[in-house]
Amino acid sequence: KQEVTQIPAALSVPEGENLVLNCSFTDSAIYNLQWFRQDPGKGLTSLLLIQSSQREQTSGRLNASLDKSSGRSTLYIAASQPGDSATYLCAVLNNDMRFGAGTRLTVKP
Amino acid sequence: GAVVSQHPSWVICKSGTSVKIECRSLDFQATTMFWYRQFPKQSLMLMATSNEGSKATYEQGVEKDKFLINHASLTLSTLTVTSAHPEDSSFYICSAWKSTGANVLTFGAGSRLTVL
Repeated sequence: KQEVTQIPAALSVPEGENLVLNCSFTDSAIYNLQWFRQDPGKGLTSLLLIQSSQREQTSGRLNASLDKSSGRSTLYIAASQPGDSATYLCAVLNNDMRFGAGTRLTVKP
Repeated sequence: GAVVSQHPSWVICKSGTSVKIECRSLDFQATTMFWYRQFPKQSLMLMATSNEGSKATYEQGVEKDKFLINHASLTLSTLTVTSAHPEDSSFYICSAWKSTGANVLTFGAGSRLTVL
């Protein structure tokens, strides 16, 4: 059974800092890996989707990498802003989609 | 693009009543849909996999008689929480897997259930 782990569980940084969120998974036979953002009490917002054949994806200040063989992905956020404060979830898809527990990010003004 | 509609977005009910949540794929056919549950400050946990025309597959620890899943068509799956209790209060999210094309799941906006 696929297990997804995210570290750190929580992160607090001052505005403007670059930061990295980590995700690891146990079964490398995945179709893709997806990073989501979730604001308190809200649904999921898809940030980046990396197919199994890809190594990274970029969108604005976000960059996600995937190393399938080692079962790892990172989400890099550049020049963080208070509006980036949210919980970031990593999920991997093979026969179903499994989520990590998330990283709760707080960016202080 | 693929759109999944989930209804209702929030519901409050009395203990002992049953609540039905609908998940519809609006512009594509989904042979497989997934139901997730999220308790406060916790991550999404897969409850069950719903396959059109067949019985749902439940994750360990999820009571199939309490959480009834029906996937009667390629665009609709329903989750019924039977005899709801306060501990069933949670955020329920569905996702749909498009039958053709890229292996991507599209998520509904979620349904927040509060059982009094």
